[in-house]
Amino acid sequence: DGGITQSPKYLFRKEGQNVTLSCEQNLNHDAMYWYRQDPGQGLRLIYYSQIVNDFQKGDIAEGYSVSREKKESFPLTVTSAQKNPTAFYLCASSIRVPYYGYTFGSGTRLTVV
Amino acid sequence: AQKITQTQPGMFVQEKEAVTLDCTYDTSDQSYGLFWYKQPSSGEMIFLIYQGSYDEQNATEGRYSLNFQKARKSANLVISASQLGDSAMYFCAMREGVAGTYKYIFGTGTRLKVLA
Repeated sequence: DGGITQSPKYLFRKEGQNVTLSCEQNLNHDAMYWYRQDPGQGLRLIYYSQIVNDFQKGDIAEGYSVSREKKESFPLTVTSAQKNPTAFYLCASSIRVPYYGYTFGSGTRLTVV
Repeated sequence: AQKITQTQPGMFVQEKEAVTLDCTYDTSDQSYGLFWYKQPSSGEMIFLIYQGSYDEQNATEGRYSLNFQKARKSANLVISASQLGDSAMYFCAMREGVAGTYKYIFGTGTRLKVLA
């Protein structure tokens, strides 16, 4: 079955450490996205990529970095510069022109202690 | 101003009854799309229903229907015959902009609890 795989589901890290969240899709989608979800807030866009080797900042990119070396993969690194990294992170993908929305993964809950 | 407003942080409904989740939106675009997603405790966002701004009929997908009132800028989700498995967070979202510059905005969500 086609879909998006995010791993791990739960991640714990010490403050000051960088951590990388994995996102893989086998839907043959061109575009991929990373969202952050906090309680009581809507999803906020961190980064997105419409084609391989290209990506753009979203609304809250500070403290995060991404790469898009393969069409199927769009890993997100949460760096030590991110002031409040504890959150739920959702990866999504879509066709090149996302008229009908996205397909989402099941998320990674990151807790920084 | 919020572009997508969901005023109900939490809702309860009795099993087998219908429930309406509210969503109002704000856009100056003529062409836009409205979506509802379900997020169960597992975390995945599941697409439920879509309404285009030019669609004259309200969208329906099984037990889900979208009550689209364009003049009032509302796009309420109606779930008929609620089931225990409908307990989840529900997000309203809007697509605005034109191809190549589409922007998606999500509401803050409504947590629905279905009671047996």
